[in-house]
Amino acid sequence: KQEVTQIPAALSVPEGENLVLNCSFTDSAIYNLQWFRQDPGKGLTSLLLIQSSQREQTSGRLNASLDKSSGRSTLYIAASQPGDSATYLCAVSHYKLSFGAGTTVTVRA
Amino acid sequence: DGGITQSPKYLFRKEGQNVTLSCEQNLNHDAMYWYRQDPGQGLRLIYYSQIVNDFQKGDIAEGYSVSREKKESFPLTVTSAQKNPTAFYLCASSISALVNTEAFFGQGTRLTVV
Repeated sequence: KQEVTQIPAALSVPEGENLVLNCSFTDSAIYNLQWFRQDPGKGLTSLLLIQSSQREQTSGRLNASLDKSSGRSTLYIAASQPGDSATYLCAVSHYKLSFGAGTTVTVRA
Repeated sequence: DGGITQSPKYLFRKEGQNVTLSCEQNLNHDAMYWYRQDPGQGLRLIYYSQIVNDFQKGDIAEGYSVSREKKESFPLTVTSAQKNPTAFYLCASSISALVNTEAFFGQGTRLTVV
């Protein structure tokens, strides 16, 4: 059974600092890995999708890397802003999505 | 606008009642999913459907039932057999469950037992 772990569970940084969020998974037989953002009481918003054959994906201030062989992905958010405060979830896909518990980020103004 | 619509946003259930959560998508996606989210935990898969008239149990299917009579719709029924139904329920869809496609989520339904 696929196990997905996200460390740390919570993170608080001052505005302007870069964020580094980690995701690890136990089974490397995945189709893709997806990073999501969730605001309190809301659904999930897709941030980045990395195919299993890719090493990284970028969108604006966001960059996600994937090392399938070691079962790891990292989400980098450059120059954090208070609006980046949310819970970030990673999920790996193989017929279905398996999720980590998320990292709750607080960016202090 | 294309997307996934879940209704209602809030739902209250009395002990012993069955309730049905609605999920509709106009993205022309084949695959649809139901997840449950509890505080401090990751999303757990309840049921998923790869195509119309077909669905499979996820990791926590006991006490739940689904149907997939139309491509656009995947309703979830929380039965009285589900002993701890209070949670946030999320519906998702993707083009296919068999290839590398992105999943999209609705805004969720918060179910509370009263």
